[in-house]
Amino acid sequence: KAGVTQTPRYLIKTRGQQVTLSCSPISGHRSVSWYQQTPGQGLQFLFEYFSETQRNKGNFPGRFSGRQFSNSRSEMNVSTLELGDSALYLCASSLAQVGGEQYFGPGTRLTVT
Amino acid sequence: DQQVKQNSPSLSVQEGRISILNCDYTNSMFDYFLWYKKYPAEGPTFLISISSIKDKNEDGRFTVFLNKSAKHLSLHIVPSQPGDSAVYFCAASAPGKAAGNKLTFGGGTRVLVKP
Repeated sequence: KAGVTQTPRYLIKTRGQQVTLSCSPISGHRSVSWYQQTPGQGLQFLFEYFSETQRNKGNFPGRFSGRQFSNSRSEMNVSTLELGDSALYLCASSLAQVGGEQYFGPGTRLTVT
Repeated sequence: DQQVKQNSPSLSVQEGRISILNCDYTNSMFDYFLWYKKYPAEGPTFLISISSIKDKNEDGRFTVFLNKSAKHLSLHIVPSQPGDSAVYFCAASAPGKAAGNKLTFGGGTRVLVKP
């Protein structure tokens, strides 16, 4: 079974631009979560989608948004990019509705200049 | 407010010996705990998990212990191998659909296994 895939793997954007990142979960997984990893803040939860509905959202500004499609693929969007948005963005999928193992993709490294 | 803490930022151990990684949490609602291993520029790899109804779970060289009264869990790796050199994260989740699959992570412990 293929793992979680994320595209693109690397991205360089300019401050003020917007960006869309994509995540394809493991086949059959309906839960997709997004995390941001930075050296200063560690791994922080952005939001989770389950069956196309956002179930949970972390403490991030409204510039961060996401969606999930009927095939469970998910996208996250960051608008009006700031230098501090430079990070590794990780997507994780889970088979369980709650309390199960989550499997991570390789991440998208976003650099904002 | 850091709800999950890994107080040791780094750990160095000789190959073949035991690695013990510790994790403390403050939120008594957490009932499911996971350990992940992470290499630079890669996503975390799931290692082992434990539910709050258990106090121990074992999988090969990895054993996780949970002490609910102390809100403490630990990961034991025996024997340690050079390929185990990575950053290890503990994570926790709370029950219920409202919490969903949200994971709260500790800050990580960098493990170096010396040959």
